[in-house]
Amino acid sequence: AQSVTQPDIHITVSEGASLELRCNYSYGATPYLFWYVQSPGQGLQLLLKYFSGDTLVQGIKGFEAEFKRSQSSFNLRKPSVHWSDAAEYFCAVGDDKIIFGKGTRLHILP
Amino acid sequence: EAGVAQSPRYKIIEKRQSVAFWCNPISGHATLYWYQQILGQGPKLLIQFQNNGVVDDSQLPKDRFSAERLKGVDSTLKIQPAKLEDSAVYLCASSSSYNEQFFGPGTRLTVL
Repeated sequence: AQSVTQPDIHITVSEGASLELRCNYSYGATPYLFWYVQSPGQGLQLLLKYFSGDTLVQGIKGFEAEFKRSQSSFNLRKPSVHWSDAAEYFCAVGDDKIIFGKGTRLHILP
Repeated sequence: EAGVAQSPRYKIIEKRQSVAFWCNPISGHATLYWYQQILGQGPKLLIQFQNNGVVDDSQLPKDRFSAERLKGVDSTLKIQPAKLEDSAVYLCASSSSYNEQFFGPGTRLTVL
């Protein structure tokens, strides 16, 4: 069955520190992979996506993610977080139908 | 380019009442999705339209939920009668390809 696991419900990092959010997936074929961000009271905004090719994907707002087929992972990274990055982050897998993980809420310490 | 529009943004009703949500997708987007996002969870697909036809409604509770997309543009999602467990954010999204779904701001429904 297709599924997405985000093992961390909450993560807290200090402003300026590096960030890695974990995502593992289960999918029958080579998946399309996505990371979305949701700020309070807002809809979801696409940060980046992977379809094929280079396994290191660059996105908006300084985020990147790496697809590792052997680990069925698609972790999101940012070298230096800003207070405005505090939000909920969703990993998703699929094609025209997307399955979302339960999300990781990111808290930023000043 | 205008984004996906949804209304209302907030709705409070009592159980057993009915409610309707409206979505206007990005112009030219053939595919429209309705998701339910319960607090603390990721969005769950309720129904997917391709133009004005239903592609997937397998997770739509059809005894109380209905949706339509007349003329392949705007869409309405209705709940009748509402239950307490329907309290959630209802998100509408549209896309023109597999590349990206664009989401509206959502409607937050509270059922008392």
